[in-house]
Amino acid sequence: SYVLTQPPSVSVAPGQTAKITCGGNRVGRKSVHWYQQKPGQAPVLVVFDDSDRPSGIPARFSGSNSGNTATLTISSVEAGDEADYYCQVWDSSSDHVIFGGGTKLAVL
Amino acid sequence: QVTLKESGPVLVKPTETLTLTCTVSGFSLSNGRTGVSWIRQPPGKALEWLAQILSNDEKSYSTSLKSRLTISKDTSKSQVILIMTNMDPVDTATYYCARDEAYGDSNWFDPWGQGTLVTVSS
Repeated sequence: SYVLTQPPSVSVAPGQTAKITCGGNRVGRKSVHWYQQKPGQAPVLVVFDDSDRPSGIPARFSGSNSGNTATLTISSVEAGDEADYYCQVWDSSSDHVIFGGGTKLAVL
Repeated sequence: QVTLKESGPVLVKPTETLTLTCTVSGFSLSNGRTGVSWIRQPPGKALEWLAQILSNDEKSYSTSLKSRLTISKDTSKSQVILIMTNMDPVDTATYYCARDEAYGDSNWFDPWGQGTLVTVSS
């Protein structure tokens, strides 16, 4: 079955740029979506279809997807961005939703 | 405003059957390509997709749990129901329902319900 691989953790200083990767076989051919989950809260969609942002999500959140890696980029990181981030795709070969294992973003 | 809310038992015994209900508002369960998915998250672990039902009643299930899951909807009540049989302590998790926006070979979840913690213990 299809697998998405994320780094367990990423650390960044406030004001810097954080990049969270999501690796998968030819993931560039799929649409990748990203969710932010803060402790004790439900996930929130922050990027869909590789690089689109839902209304209300700051422009600091952006996404890209090519080859075997999709990337969520958070610019000018704030303390409030500290959360777990998950990537997700639809695998049409199995009619399955696939989530990555999640990345904990720490703001130092 | 689109909202979803999960309801069901907080505690079930091993081997019992779990029935969860997702009550939605702000969108229809019978129009377009919008549907509802169930997703769970064991304490401290990652998200795991369980099942999806679309407005045309198409259903998809996690391969690893397919034999234990049934998803259905009651459009008149704006509810989606998930049934999971033969519960085990490893099924202890927060169970979420989410609006499922499905377009071609892409789908995403927005928004999510608040989640309901289900503990499996004797």
